[in-house]
Amino acid sequence: KQEVTQIPAALSVPEGENLVLNCSFTDSAIYNLQWFRQDPGKGLTSLLLIQSSQREQTSGRLNASLDKSSGRSTLYIAASQPGDSATYLCAVIKAAGNKLTFGGGTRVLVKP
Amino acid sequence: DAGITQSPRHKVTETGTPVTLRCHQTENHRYMYWYRQDPGHGLRLIHYSYGVKDTDKGEVSDGYSVSRSKTEDFLLTLESATSSQTSVYFCAISEPTWTSSQETQYFGPGTRLLVL
Repeated sequence: KQEVTQIPAALSVPEGENLVLNCSFTDSAIYNLQWFRQDPGKGLTSLLLIQSSQREQTSGRLNASLDKSSGRSTLYIAASQPGDSATYLCAVIKAAGNKLTFGGGTRVLVKP
Repeated sequence: DAGITQSPRHKVTETGTPVTLRCHQTENHRYMYWYRQDPGHGLRLIHYSYGVKDTDKGEVSDGYSVSRSKTEDFLLTLESATSSQTSVYFCAISEPTWTSSQETQYFGPGTRLLVL
């Protein structure tokens, strides 16, 4: 059974600092991995998707890496801003049309 | 944003009453999913659908049923609500691309359900 872990559960940084969010998974046979952002009381917004054949994906200040062999993904957010405060979730999918298996999330607070 | 709406957005009900949540999409995606989100458990799949009238169970399906009579609508029914079904329910959609692994799931805004 796939298990996804995100450590730490919460993180507080001053504005301008780079954020590093970790995600680990137990079964390396994944189809892809997604990073989501969730604001309090809101739905999930997809940030980045890394295909199983890729090592990283970038979008603006966000960069996500994937190391399937070690079962790890890292989301980097450069030059953090207060607007980046949210919960970040990673999720893996085993095959097309399958369910997403989510980690517990990392709650991020960026202090002005 | 993907065209996904959920209704109602908030609901309070009593134990033992039936409740139906609706998910509506305008993207014509084949796959639709119902997840629940609970503190300490994260998001877990309840049921999913891979086409009209084609549905299957997820990991926490007990006490729930679903129906999909049209591509755009996926209904989740709690036959007899219990306090353990108090949760936030999210609908998601996807269109699997069998030739690549770029499938993305898009989520609706959620429904907050309180069962008293």
